[in-house]
This record gives sequence, C-alpha cells and structure tokens, in this order.
Amino acid sequence: SQQGEEDPQALSIQEGENATMNCSYKTSINNLQWYRQNSGRGLVHLILIRSNEREKHSGRLRVTLDTSKKSSSLLITASRAADTASYFCAWQRAGGTSYGKLTFGQGTILTVHP
Amino acid sequence: EAGVAQSPRYKIIEKRQSVAFWCNPISGHATLYWYQQILGQGPKLLIQFQNNGVVDDSQLPKDRFSAERLKGVDSTLKIQPAKLEDSAVYLCASSSVGQRAKNIQYFGAGTRLSVL
Repeated sequence: SQQGEEDPQALSIQEGENATMNCSYKTSINNLQWYRQNSGRGLVHLILIRSNEREKHSGRLRVTLDTSKKSSSLLITASRAADTASYFCAWQRAGGTSYGKLTFGQGTILTVHP
Repeated sequence: EAGVAQSPRYKIIEKRQSVAFWCNPISGHATLYWYQQILGQGPKLLIQFQNNGVVDDSQLPKDRFSAERLKGVDSTLKIQPAKLEDSAVYLCASSSVGQRAKNIQYFGAGTRLSVL
C-alpha cells in the first residue's frame, strides 16, 4: 500500500491469550490511533498515542510507537471472545494542510475462540 | 450523548441509478467526515467538512459524487450515476473542534450500498 500496512491480516487465538497487531506508515505524524470495528458496525476509538510518546496503556490495551521505524503495535492482553473484531490503525499526518485528516490502515481481523 | 446517526442502513440499486445517504453528527461537533470502506479494506476519506465548508475533498470522485452540509449540521452524500465499483459501506464520522488537535472521530454504523 502507498499509505501503510497492517499485519497480520488475520489473527486467530484462544481466549486468555494475548493478541499483537502491527501497523506501519510512511509519513511524519502528529499521532497514531487504533480503532475497533465489529461486524456490520462503525468504528470505535480505542486509544491514541502522540508522536512524542513511546508507549501507552488503557485497560488491557498496550500501544507502542517507534517513529524512527514508522511503526506501531497494539497488544491486547488476556483476550476475550468479545474482542473478536477488525482493528485499524489510523495516523494523523504532521504539517501541511491536512486539517487533522486521518489515514487508515488495511486492518487486522482478530478472532478469539471461547 | 446520542451518537452519529446514518440512514438508510442498507441500499440496493442498479448501476446508473442515483442514491443519497444522510448523516446527523453528534450535537456540537463542527467537523464531519464521509468515508468509503470497501470490503476487506480500511476506510478511505471522501470529504471533510468544517462547519458547512469543505476542507478536504481531494479523494472525492467529483464527476459522480457530491456532498453538502447545509447549516453546518446534517450532511448528505449523493452518487449519480452509480457504478458497480461504488459497492461499499459509506461511513459518516464527526469530531469536536476542541479535540481536533487529537482528531478522535466518532463513527456512525454506516450505509451498506450494493450496486447491481
């Protein structure tokens, strides 16, 4: 993709296991965000990490950001069946006249088996 | 607070027909976005409004797509005429001016369009 990538495209795990998703982008950014999308629904914001931060936690979520490698990862610990969804990273490009525009990755489909 | 409302939820049309989608953002949110999400892909921004003015429509296929946000509240996205490749989910999102520096967006459930 010209914008960035997420991997894996799909991830299947058992309840209680951890899930890690990765995101790469190609521009300088102000922040990077992760969203969740349940089947047939809109996206829900999970967590935001600013470009000057390296790690952030929210409940069972842990996000890391490496601006030198232009990459981020989302870790969901102790996964539950209810975590089954698609997960998207989205970044806000720094500078220019982007007016806060977000660019989304292709997404990772997470399936958590009970 | 009420979320972003979109209608209809589903729409099936023949190619070359016209279709319109409606969005009511979260009350007080000045910024409104329309995205196109093709199956298996991430959302792609079509157009972004700040109040009733367009700030980004660089990826809107203007020969067939149009959008308006009268009075800076509700918005309508129209496709005329539709092509097979327009089959997708059309998502509306909004964000508040106060959070623009973070640009956390709140999404509606979307309209699933099938063009036959």
